[in-house]
Amino acid sequence: GENVEQHPSTLSVQEGDSAVIKCTYSDSASNYFPWYKQELGKRPQLIIDIRSNVGEKKDQRIAVTLNKTAKHFSLHITETQPEDSAVYFCAARVGAAGNKLTFGGGTRVLVKP
Amino acid sequence: NAGVTQTPKFRVLKTGQSMTLLCAQDMNHEYMYWYRQDPGMGLRLIHYSVGEGTTAKGEVPDGYNVSRLKKQNFLLGLESAAPSQTSVYFCASSSPVSGTSGNTQYFGPGTRLTVL
Repeated sequence: GENVEQHPSTLSVQEGDSAVIKCTYSDSASNYFPWYKQELGKRPQLIIDIRSNVGEKKDQRIAVTLNKTAKHFSLHITETQPEDSAVYFCAARVGAAGNKLTFGGGTRVLVKP
Repeated sequence: NAGVTQTPKFRVLKTGQSMTLLCAQDMNHEYMYWYRQDPGMGLRLIHYSVGEGTTAKGEVPDGYNVSRLKKQNFLLGLESAAPSQTSVYFCASSSPVSGTSGNTQYFGPGTRLTVL
């Protein structure tokens, strides 16, 4: 089955700096890659996603890039703010049957004021 | 519109006890999922359902059973709880994928389960 690895496991940045989280996946048939943000004690919530026919997608301060050849995708957060502090999860989906996601292990991001 | 809700929020069990976690969604979603979340391991799929009356195994199904008797509800059962099942359990739901829509999984607030 699909395997998703996520790095780093923790990331500390100064407010205003950029944060980058990287994920690799194993199954070349994966076609959908969402990113979820989970604040402490809360539920995961989708913040951005990308499909396999797109190389980059941006939404205000967050962007995701996809390299299908290398089988990796990354989340970029610019101008980080304290409210960006959370755990971020990447995921990958193989095909569409069941819309099943395989998640990475998560990255705890701390934005220091 | 409550979205996805879970009952209970917290539970403490003794080894060998049984319990059922209830997930309900009011978004008319066809698909529902149960995950467990453990530190450093992300979210792992336990079981899922693609429609009323159907269930399928996910990545870590052992020790759990599920039922989807109604479209809006998805139940997760532990017949004989073990300390290894101490975790936070999340339910999620989504629509079937159709073109560029139906991809998002919406999560419930979670249930924190401790097995002593």
